[in-house]
Amino acid sequence: QVQLVQSGAEVKKPGASVKVSCKASGYTFTGSHIHWVRQAPGQGLEWMGWINPYSGDTNYAQKFQGRVTVTRDTPITTVYMELSRLRSDDTAVYYCAKSRDGYNFDYWGQGTLVTVSS
Amino acid sequence: DIQMTQSPSSLSASVGDRITVTCRASQRISLYLNWYQQKPGKAPNLLIYAASSLQRGVPSRFSGSGSGTEFTLTISSLQPEDFATYYCQQSYSTPPTFGQGTKVEV
Repeated sequence: QVQLVQSGAEVKKPGASVKVSCKASGYTFTGSHIHWVRQAPGQGLEWMGWINPYSGDTNYAQKFQGRVTVTRDTPITTVYMELSRLRSDDTAVYYCAKSRDGYNFDYWGQGTLVTVSS
Repeated sequence: DIQMTQSPSSLSASVGDRITVTCRASQRISLYLNWYQQKPGKAPNLLIYAASSLQRGVPSRFSGSGSGTEFTLTISSLQPEDFATYYCQQSYSTPPTFGQGTKVEV
């Protein structure tokens, strides 16, 4: 069965960086894009970007350009999302999600809470 | 960016009720509209894609309709496990954007 398993919760200080991992299994890793979506406490869903695990190509939301980097390690079927220059309003649950096709997401990771606090 | 607006923001309902949630896009998006269900502390779950196609494993009491700028999600007979927050999302253009959510409460 398809599974996306994310790394655990993180607490970071403002200005620091965080790197969240997403381990994929149960399907052909290079056959589907992986996206990152975040959700601030009590708020809605915000798309951050995607990676094509086959080619390594990425596409990021303009809001996060220059601060987010998504990479993959194909042999271990894992995708990483690194967000730098953290601010308090980056406090959120970060999800990885697999594309069904295009921009619809049929499997999601369990989420990783990133707390940014001094 | 395409703005997605859901109504209502919340609704109260009872088991067995038929409920409808509406989603409007700020520009035409053809059939590129998806619906998700999210329960507290859990990741969203894809219910409907391409406006009206039921995701595998989703009960048939869920249905979607619409095209262009106006879409609806209908639950024909609300079950206890359906009390959750529902989000629409456009997949027509980058960035994909979500509605603000509709919370279905008892």
